[in-house]
Amino acid sequence: DTEVTQTPKHLVMGMTNKKSLKCEQHMGHRAMYWYKQKAKKPPELMFVYSYEKLSINESVPSRFSPECPNSSLLNLHLHALQPEDSALYLCASSQPGGGQQALHFGNGTRLTVT
Amino acid sequence: GIQVEQSPPDLILQEGANSTLRCNFSDSVNNLQWFHQNPWGQLINLFYIPSGTKQNGRLSATTVATERYSLLYISSSQTTDSGVYFCAVEWSDMRFGAGTRLTVKP
Repeated sequence: DTEVTQTPKHLVMGMTNKKSLKCEQHMGHRAMYWYKQKAKKPPELMFVYSYEKLSINESVPSRFSPECPNSSLLNLHLHALQPEDSALYLCASSQPGGGQQALHFGNGTRLTVT
Repeated sequence: GIQVEQSPPDLILQEGANSTLRCNFSDSVNNLQWFHQNPWGQLINLFYIPSGTKQNGRLSATTVATERYSLLYISSSQTTDSGVYFCAVEWSDMRFGAGTRLTVKP
């Protein structure tokens, strides 16, 4: 069983909808991440939170809005998405700092934008 | 930015065979990890290995940081080993290679 839990597993949304992806970890980690993965491609980093503060934002469009309410929770708010945003969205956690320890991933949310 | 190259891109094995996957990187890194993504999309961390050698059952990994490469060895492969193997390196943040897609046939 994974110790990083993502909900929902699948999400279908229209381009005018607002939805949120949720991630929770119970590993005591203080860094949390959002990655986006298109089919047959590697995961691409979107956002990094370290000690609940946004530390990396990889030039992601503003229609994706991250939120870290506390050290265990990470949300990704979605608004006015495009069909090309359809992908697997992966949450991960680790200990922060240079030479980060192992990344642990959730099972992902498979998003389809219609 | 840092370049991460994995080889081979695709590999087909008969069950029971051994294999070696390679990850080359273009700059010094703080961190290197190997992951297995199964056909359902789940990413499992296999090794955190910035340097040296580690073993876990039928899998082992070696990173030679001074020569900027890492190797993942799979022995006595099983059909459940199928999927994509990624290496990821930390430069300013964790960057993934393109992966090696492994198919193990019964």
